Amino acid sequence: ETGVTQTPRHLVMGMTNKKSLKCEQHLGHNAMYWYKQSAKKPLELMFVYSLEERVENNSVPSRFSPECPNSSHLFLHLHTLQPEDSALYLCASSQASGEPYNEQFFGPGTRLTVL
Amino acid sequence: GQNIDQPTEMTATEGAIVQINCTYQTSGFNGLFWYQQHAGEAPTFLSYNVLDGLEEKGRFSSFLSRSKGYSYLLLKELQMKDSASYLCAVRDGNYQLIWGAGTKLIIKP
Repeated sequence: ETGVTQTPRHLVMGMTNKKSLKCEQHLGHNAMYWYKQSAKKPLELMFVYSLEERVENNSVPSRFSPECPNSSHLFLHLHTLQPEDSALYLCASSQASGEPYNEQFFGPGTRLTVL
Repeated sequence: GQNIDQPTEMTATEGAIVQINCTYQTSGFNGLFWYQQHAGEAPTFLSYNVLDGLEEKGRFSSFLSRSKGYSYLLLKELQMKDSASYLCAVRDGNYQLIWGAGTKLIIKP
């Protein structure tokens, strides 16, 4: 595997379910990101992990819970979601923030639908 | 607040040239990125500008004017595969990426 992978690619869940999204990067990066992408809206940064430490948490509801067990893996645990949480969830990685021209490499995303 | 503006949608003809504009207002500036995103796929990096001027990379060029808070992405010799959304993102003074909503480019034969 190369680049950034995400599983599952599609997920349909009820509001009472608990599920997890998985991201894995094979680029040797040390920063990982979760974004939410809704139609015709800018990418919304949810969480940032740098050197396995959470450095950003943009007022995301507690029904979203990230986990970064090591620099290659990132999870987003979901529980009691709302229909408005339906969106494309993108994972990205880069070298640690603070360095210029460290572009982010994105995974293909998980298309989440909350019923 | 911080803001990135770009047109929602543009249409162009195969073989032609198109310019996608991006204006920004951010707290500090540490570079501007352009990404391409095909429907249902991951955004992929196209270009990075931190100094004023034009950066050329094959059929794609990106221009930056920091004093005007303005950038554009220029696509030449358009091909059908260029149909995608183009995302403008600015790295602010805290090295956080601020994203525009993207410009959907439709290429017609």
